[in-house]
Amino acid sequence: QKEVEQDPGPLSVPEGAIVSLNCTYSNSAFQYFMWYRQYSRKGPELLMYTYSSGNKEDGRFTAQVDKSSKYISLFIRDSQPSDSATYLCAMSVAGANSKLTFGKGITLSVRP
Amino acid sequence: EAGVAQSPRYKIIEKRQSVAFWCNPISGHATLYWYQQILGQGPKLLIQFQNNGVVDDSQLPKDRFSAERLKGVDSTLKIQPAKLEDSAVYLCASSLDFARVEQYFGPGTRLTVT
Repeated sequence: QKEVEQDPGPLSVPEGAIVSLNCTYSNSAFQYFMWYRQYSRKGPELLMYTYSSGNKEDGRFTAQVDKSSKYISLFIRDSQPSDSATYLCAMSVAGANSKLTFGKGITLSVRP
Repeated sequence: EAGVAQSPRYKIIEKRQSVAFWCNPISGHATLYWYQQILGQGPKLLIQFQNNGVVDDSQLPKDRFSAERLKGVDSTLKIQPAKLEDSAVYLCASSLDFARVEQYFGPGTRLTVT
């Protein structure tokens, strides 16, 4: 079993839709949970991160962490064509070494 | 603030040849990372530097890959000799220090080994 599993995709939605992206993990030591966005031919860009369980909101984006289920989600409200990209979840344990473990990524396409 | 710079952006080589990639992190960032991203996969950490010292190189294939970060700023990743399975995007990232969660990625170098 991989440490981090991500829904395989791809995912195509109409503009304005609510998008839900999900990851599961097996390592209960993970404490930091991140979402990166990667446009084609670009490096990943950190969207947001949460520490331990709970929700975090930033504009149209909401990140949720459920440590009891080892499940994290990213919700995108009012999706826009500019949100079309690959979304990667990443996780790390707390402490001095901030090594990230990434999911495979899911490619999202928002149709105008 | 300038981002992480990498060069070259693209490289095509034949198997058994050697290749080197260069990275210039964000000014003032003590920690530098090299990742390998194979098509359809998430990035995998190859090596992590704190200033000019290696923190983690557990996933670096040391028989063919090497990396250095002289003077704690720029870094070079080398592959010698290259194999077909080394075809990937090589990403460099930096963070303020090793305790920081936020890592900032460069655009990557896309390597094709034929």
